[in-house]
Amino acid sequence: EVQLVETGGGLIQPGGSLRLSCAASGFLVTSNYMSWVRQAPGKGLAFISVIYNDGNTQYADSVKGRFTISRDNSKNTVFLQMKSLRAEDTAIYYCARENIPGLGMDVWGQGTTVTVSS
Amino acid sequence: EIVLTQSPGTLSLSPGERATLSCRASQSVRSSYLAWYQQKSGQAPRLLIYGAASRATGIPDRFSGSGSGTDFTLTISRLEPEDFAVYYCQQYGNSRWTFGQGTKVEIK
Repeated sequence: EVQLVETGGGLIQPGGSLRLSCAASGFLVTSNYMSWVRQAPGKGLAFISVIYNDGNTQYADSVKGRFTISRDNSKNTVFLQMKSLRAEDTAIYYCARENIPGLGMDVWGQGTTVTVSS
Repeated sequence: EIVLTQSPGTLSLSPGERATLSCRASQSVRSSYLAWYQQKSGQAPRLLIYGAASRATGIPDRFSGSGSGTDFTLTISRLEPEDFAVYYCQQYGNSRWTFGQGTKVEIK
């Protein structure tokens, strides 16, 4: 079964760090574009970061320099390392697969919640 | 960055009615890179339409997409009870994805 499972969310103080994981099953992360998308409470969807099948990465301006996307091919898992967290980073973080580049994110995880608060 | 503006913000309709959702881009979007998603409360988004007009796997044919350039439309021909949700358009351009702010389709 094709599936994504995110873990690692939680309550963190402003300025803190957190690492999210996205474990894939039923397909290889190295053969797809893998993205992180977040949704702040009561708000819409926002692209955060992508790691391409060739390993190159892109980031939204709002997280550039603070967040790092990476993957562990042996574990078929994608990570999002988040540093210098701010209250406005509070959101549900979704991992998503783009099987054919540019043609939509066809598999999504259930999301993991990050709350940045003192 | 290409900005997507969806309208209306909320659409109040009854089951069986037709829903027409609009997505307008601040500059021309390559049609093959325009997608639509459905999100129900408490759930992850689900891909409905990709390439502006192609239905994703398992999506009923009451959902259809159209448009080109800067104007795109998602049409639900006859609303079923399970179609009441929030819908987002998304485009890929300049190596990044952007989403519209969403249209909520609610029961009238």
